[in-house]
Amino acid sequence: AQSVAQPEDQVNVAEGNPLTVKCTYSVSGNPYLFWYVQYPNRGLQFLLKYITGDNLVKGSYGFEAEFNKSQTSFHLKKPSALVSDSALYFCAVSPGYTGTASKLTFGTGTRLQVTL
Amino acid sequence: SAVISQKPSRDICQRGTSLTIQCQVDSQVTMMFWYRQQPGQSLTLIATANQGSEATYESGFVIDKFPISRPNLTFSTLTVSNMSPEDSSIYLCSVTGLTGANVLTFGAGSRLTVL
Repeated sequence: AQSVAQPEDQVNVAEGNPLTVKCTYSVSGNPYLFWYVQYPNRGLQFLLKYITGDNLVKGSYGFEAEFNKSQTSFHLKKPSALVSDSALYFCAVSPGYTGTASKLTFGTGTRLQVTL
Repeated sequence: SAVISQKPSRDICQRGTSLTIQCQVDSQVTMMFWYRQQPGQSLTLIATANQGSEATYESGFVIDKFPISRPNLTFSTLTVSNMSPEDSSIYLCSVTGLTGANVLTFGAGSRLTVL
């Protein structure tokens, strides 16, 4: 069975510093990998995805993530954090073929707190 | 970009009652899903809403408890039946195909509190 691990319940970072939110996964075959963000009292918003190709994926709001097949990781990064980045971040994985949205597994989420 | 509207956004319900949540998409979509997000937890897929046929439920979810309708390609409802406090959650409608293959777009969610 596929799974996603987000080892940190919360990440604290000062504004202007780089941030990393960790994610590791387990899936049979090649994965599709996603990051979603949930702002307070709002639904989830798509940030970025890895399907194939370049291991470094760039997404919305200056976020990027690097697919590392040997370490089965897909960590989310941003060079300079903003207070407005404070939110709940979810990593998700599905099997790597089209039409697998119903087979998406979400991690437990990591709360990012950016302070001045 | 396309919009997904969910109603109600929140509600407080009494034990034993049922509540129907509506999801309206402003364009036709093939795949619609219902998720549950329990307090402090991740998202769990309840079912895939199939247009014109019975929904496909995930393990642990049954039609008697969570009946789903999908009369057309833009609209679906989820009913939470005979509610108990354990049903207090955020229920999220989502669709694929609006921002890319395999990418889910979510509604804002319906926060239910069962007393």
